[in-house]
Amino acid sequence: DVKVTQSSRYLVKRTGEKVFLECVQDMDHENMFWYRQDPGLGLRLIYFSYDVKMKEKGDIPEGYSVSREKKERFSLILESASTNQTSMYLCASAPGAKRELFFGEGSRLTVL
Amino acid sequence: QKEVEQNSGPLSVPEGAIASLNCTYSDRGSQSFFWYRQYSGKSPELIMFIYSNGDKEDGRFTAQLNKASQYVSLLIRDSQPSDSATYLCAPNTGNQFYFGTGTSLTVIP
Repeated sequence: DVKVTQSSRYLVKRTGEKVFLECVQDMDHENMFWYRQDPGLGLRLIYFSYDVKMKEKGDIPEGYSVSREKKERFSLILESASTNQTSMYLCASAPGAKRELFFGEGSRLTVL
Repeated sequence: QKEVEQNSGPLSVPEGAIASLNCTYSDRGSQSFFWYRQYSGKSPELIMFIYSNGDKEDGRFTAQLNKASQYVSLLIRDSQPSDSATYLCAPNTGNQFYFGTGTSLTVIP
C-alpha cells in the first residue's frame, strides 16, 4: 500500500529555532515535493526533487532548504523559523513526471 | 507565475443532485489535470485525472477538459453527504503541479 510518512503531525517552535521536517516514502518514487497550505492561498510549492541529491526551487523557497540524501527521504529545513512560517506542511511523492501525487498526513507547524 | 482559478464556494447542493466544480488555468503548457479531494484536517487524495480533451468518467465522477479554453471541470453525480469536502484542481506541467485554492462543497442531506 502506498505510504508517505511525515515525522511529526504537530510541532511548536520558537522564533529563530532550526526546524527539521522529515518525509519518507516507501514506494520507490523518483519525485518528492514539499508544499505549504494556508487558508485562502491553497497549496504552494516550496521545493521539489526528482532524484537523489537533486533539488529545484518552487514558488516560495525563501527561508527554506531541503535535503535528499536517499531516494526515500526528503527533508525540509527551516534554518531560522519565523512566525510567518506557521502553516500546514505537506510532503508528497510521485512515481515520475505527469503522475499523480501521493500526500503524507501533513505537519502542522506553529512558530511562536 | 502559473495561476489556477477555482470558485472558492462554498457550494451547497442537496443530496442526490449534481455538483459542478470549475477550474481555469493560465499555463498553456499544462498537459495533465488532476482533481483532489481534501476533507477538513486531512491531506488531499486523488479523485481522478484527465489528459485529453473531452470527458472522462469514473463512477459518479466525470472530469471534462477543454484545453483551448484552458478549462477543466469535475461533475459529481448523485452527490452524497460524504462528498462534502474541498476539491482541488491541479494542472501538471512536467514535474510540477500547481494547485487552485479549492472549492468547498457541502452536500445537504
